[in-house]
Amino acid sequence: QPVLTQSPSASASLGASVKLTCTLSSPYTSYGIAWHQQQPGKGPRYLMRVTGNGGHNRGDGIPDRFAGSSSGAERYLTISSVQSEDEADYYCQTWGSGRGVFGGGTRLTVL
Amino acid sequence: QVQLVESGGGVVQPGGSLRLSCTASGFNFYSYAIHWVRQAPGRGLEWVAVTSYNEVTKSYADSVKGRFTISRDNSRNTLYLQMNDLRTEDTAFYFCARDADGSGPLDYWGRGTLVTAS
Repeated sequence: QPVLTQSPSASASLGASVKLTCTLSSPYTSYGIAWHQQQPGKGPRYLMRVTGNGGHNRGDGIPDRFAGSSSGAERYLTISSVQSEDEADYYCQTWGSGRGVFGGGTRLTVL
Repeated sequence: QVQLVESGGGVVQPGGSLRLSCTASGFNFYSYAIHWVRQAPGRGLEWVAVTSYNEVTKSYADSVKGRFTISRDNSRNTLYLQMNDLRTEDTAFYFCARDADGSGPLDYWGRGTLVTAS
């Protein structure tokens, strides 16, 4: 079963860009993942799917400030023009052997 | 629009039982696999269980296997989670989420229901 590794925290200034990373364990480095956002006190919200070849497919209503990409075992979420409402926890998720798997999450602080 | 609404949470003593429900609307419920995911207070997301659209395939996290049972009633657009022999470590918000294509990303989530085993 795959393991997903995320940095616990990140920060970005208002209006800047930030890139969050999710790393897949070997030998699952070709797997696709999904990114989810969880704002304080709310349930998770699906942002997008990111494939192993770097393609991404945003969820309904997700602005194009959010983009996904890949490189090797790493999957990225880039947020451009960071806004105050982007301050949240971000989780990556994948699937294997019929089971779901989540990364530990990255807390993004907007400065 | 797609909506998932959980209910049935509450306070239960360790060793007790509880049944959660997840009522869906806005899409063809009978066509989608649905998952349960939980989040202990102040912690990250933990995958719990999934059922295929027709209940032929079910899978559970090791932490709940043998104690929790996932089921669904497609005529009622409702997913269930029967939780038996609850432990203090089962205390969490429980979310249901739709599987986008049967073995992939969870593309819609409910708001969650809180289960407290204490």
